Amino acid sequence: GQQLNQSPQSMFIQEGEDVSMNCTSSSIFNTWLWYKQDPGEGPVLLIALYKAGELTSNGRLTAQFGITRKDSFLNISASIPSDVGIYFCAGQLQGAQKLVFGQGTRLTINP
Amino acid sequence: DAGITQSPRHKVTETGTPVTLRCHQTENHRYMYWYRQDPGHGLRLIHYSYGVKDTDKGEVSDGYSVSRSKTEDFLLTLESATSSQTSVYFCAISETGGEQYFGPGTRLTVT
Repeated sequence: GQQLNQSPQSMFIQEGEDVSMNCTSSSIFNTWLWYKQDPGEGPVLLIALYKAGELTSNGRLTAQFGITRKDSFLNISASIPSDVGIYFCAGQLQGAQKLVFGQGTRLTINP
Repeated sequence: DAGITQSPRHKVTETGTPVTLRCHQTENHRYMYWYRQDPGHGLRLIHYSYGVKDTDKGEVSDGYSVSRSKTEDFLLTLESATSSQTSVYFCAISETGGEQYFGPGTRLTVT
């Protein structure tokens, strides 16, 4: 089936640092989504992107829909302890009624 | 937060017994999904529904069945539970088949 390559798989950073992660695919997507999952909870939608080149922010989070429509990027600025968790990208193919998910990026922050 | 509940939240059962997990929504969304989440595998789609009595298989549907007799309820049944079905199960809902909103999860242990 379809796959999204999400990288890095894990990150260990210092509080206050900026974070970047991305998802790539060989397929073209109509929608890109970014989720965050805290331990013991379900994923929560952070940002949704609908147009190639679109740049959308949600507080310290900024995500971009790649121009080729085959990738997306998420940046977190000035990380804080509550940013710890697993971040998932997801994409929706044209006409599809379901999402393709990346494997996740586990973010750990050292205070 | 989207109105999604899952029950039970935790369950321990023995190999060979039937198990039914329930997902209930109050958002009147058309689409509902069941995922399982295991370490190293991210989120994998089991089954989904695109309307009352309309369902389709996901990538890991073997050993699972689903039913949707009402818009608000989506049931996942393990006819004869196996240890390989020990996992965390998430339900999600969507209005369009794109953005999905997740429930809190059910942790199932099959002994």
